[in-house]
Amino acid sequence: KNEVEQSPQNLTAQEGEFITINCSYSVGISALHWLQQHPGGGIVSLFMLSSGKKKHGRLIATINIQEKHSSLHITASHPRDSAVYICAVLFGGSQGNLIFGKGTKLSVKP
Amino acid sequence: GAGVSQSPRYKVAKRGQDVALRCDPISGHVSLFWYQQALGQGPEFLTYFQNEAQLDKSGLPSDRFFAERPEGSVSTLKIQRTQQEDSAVYLCASSFLTSGISTDTQYFGPGTRLTVL
Repeated sequence: KNEVEQSPQNLTAQEGEFITINCSYSVGISALHWLQQHPGGGIVSLFMLSSGKKKHGRLIATINIQEKHSSLHITASHPRDSAVYICAVLFGGSQGNLIFGKGTKLSVKP
Repeated sequence: GAGVSQSPRYKVAKRGQDVALRCDPISGHVSLFWYQQALGQGPEFLTYFQNEAQLDKSGLPSDRFFAERPEGSVSTLKIQRTQQEDSAVYLCASSFLTSGISTDTQYFGPGTRLTVL
């Protein structure tokens, strides 16, 4: 079974801290997405990457294809970053349906 | 223009009732996906359309679940004889895929929260 594992499940940080969320997957992929879901809200795509590194504002996403691992980093975290962060992958050969991790619930305290 | 919209946002059904959930994708988006998200879990794939063609329905949990997209735009997910285990958020996503395997960004709707009593 194709699996996506995220860690940690829950994360509490103080405002200003550097945050790392990890994602590991079991087989080769075509692409990996990092998504953000606010309580009661919809899902927003943050990044889609298949190699290397992408940066948008205070968010950085990296992927290591050989190690089948990706990380999402948040620099200078802020309470408004509090949300669930979900890793989702498109496995090679699939039609386009994403396989999701269970998410990491981040809470940033002021 | 507008993003992906879904209706209703909330639905409460008695066990055994039929429900219909609607998704309006972004205009021009070819691909449409339905996902089911149980409380505290990540979303799970249900079914996928490319225009009006349902190319993958392997994630539908039972034959009580049926999805259609007859004109290649709006899609409806129907659940017959609802059960308590059907309670979840149903998410719709669309992407601007033209053909083949997509690595395109998927845009998600706000979801429909279904509660079966």
